[in-house]
Formats: sequence, C-alpha cells, structure tokens
Amino acid sequence: AQTVTQSQPEMSVQEAETVTLSCTYDTSESDYYLFWYKQPPSRQMILVIRQEAYKQQNATENRFSVNFQKAAKSFSLKISDSQLGDAAMYFCAYRSAFQGAQKLVFGQGTRLTINP
Amino acid sequence: KAGVTQTPRYLIKTRGQQVTLSCSPISGHRSVSWYQQTPGQGLQFLFEYFSETQRNKGNFPGRFSGRQFSNSRSEMNVSTLELGDSALYLCASSVDGANTDTQYFGPGTRLTVL
Repeated sequence: AQTVTQSQPEMSVQEAETVTLSCTYDTSESDYYLFWYKQPPSRQMILVIRQEAYKQQNATENRFSVNFQKAAKSFSLKISDSQLGDAAMYFCAYRSAFQGAQKLVFGQGTRLTINP
Repeated sequence: KAGVTQTPRYLIKTRGQQVTLSCSPISGHRSVSWYQQTPGQGLQFLFEYFSETQRNKGNFPGRFSGRQFSNSRSEMNVSTLELGDSALYLCASSVDGANTDTQYFGPGTRLTVL
C-alpha cells in the first residue's frame, strides 16, 4: 500500500518570503501522480499543483513550484513571495496511474502560517 | 461553471441514527469520490462512483454506503452512527475518472454525532 508522509505539522513564514513544505511517499509503482492541495479555513480543498511521475521536469504554477525527486520519493512544494492568502493546511497526495484509479492517498498535512 | 456542491453543510445526529449526504458534481463530470476527514485519521478514501457503479472502495465498514444517479449526483449513507463517525465528509468530482483526471472538491459536510 502506498503511504504519504509530511514531517512538518506546522510551518511559518514572513510575508513575501519563500517557504518549502516537505513530502515523502512510499510506493512500488513506477507510474503515478502527485498533488499538493490547499485547505483554507473554509475547508474547501483546492488543487495547487500536480506532477506526473513520468515527467522529469518539475511542475510550476505561478508562485508555486515543486522539487520532484523520483529516486528519493520526495515531492516538496516551494511557495515564493508568500502572501497572507496562502495561509492554510497543505496536503500532499498520491494517486496511482492504473486505469480507473481515483483513490487519493493523503499525507497528514502541514499547517502554514504567514506572518505579516 | 458551478463547482461541486454538497448538502447539507452541517448536520448533527445521535448515535444509532442514520444519515444521508448529497453531492452534486461539476456539470459534465461523471466520477464522484468520497473522503472522510478527521483530526486523528486525516483524509481517508471512502469510495468512488462512475456511471452509477461503485468502481473503487476504501477500507470502511459496510455501514458506509453510497450510490450515484443517472445525472451523476451521488449520495452517501451512514447507518447506525457511532461517535467516531463525526467528521468532515468531502466529495470530489472528475470528468470521467481517467487516471489523467484532476479531482475537484466540494466544501464538505460537517457531521457531528452526539
């Protein structure tokens, strides 16, 4: 079974600074997808970024980028120029690439605080 | 395009009762997945429905069941409620459940069991 581990329960960063959230995963599969989701106080889960395991290039979405290290099974999220609206719980998630596999396996989450 | 909607948003029940939660996916989406979120266990996959058929199932007891209608709306039912069923229940929809799909989540239903 696949597992996802987020070793940082809480992180804080000054507004406009850069912060990196860590995620490691365990799988025996060679093809899969990795995601970062954001859950603000409203509880709505919002997709931040997605990475396909077969792509070596790290995904980027505006101020959000990932460092995907497949051999090390590591998938960290970097947030640049942090904004107050980035404050939320961040979840790393894994999904198999097998056809029809919709199950997301989530880490325990990292609570990110932005200090003004 | 409207997002995923879930009703009701909040629910209070007592032990032994049953509850039904509803999820309306994004228009055009045919796959609906359900997740349970608790402080202790985190986010756990319950099941996924596609074209009115349960396609994937998580490791939950039979008290948890669901169904999907022809318009892709889905309901989740929990019978004989236990205190430990108190949680945020999230549903997510995707276009056709292909492994390339991205799941979009609703706001959740907060269930409290007394």
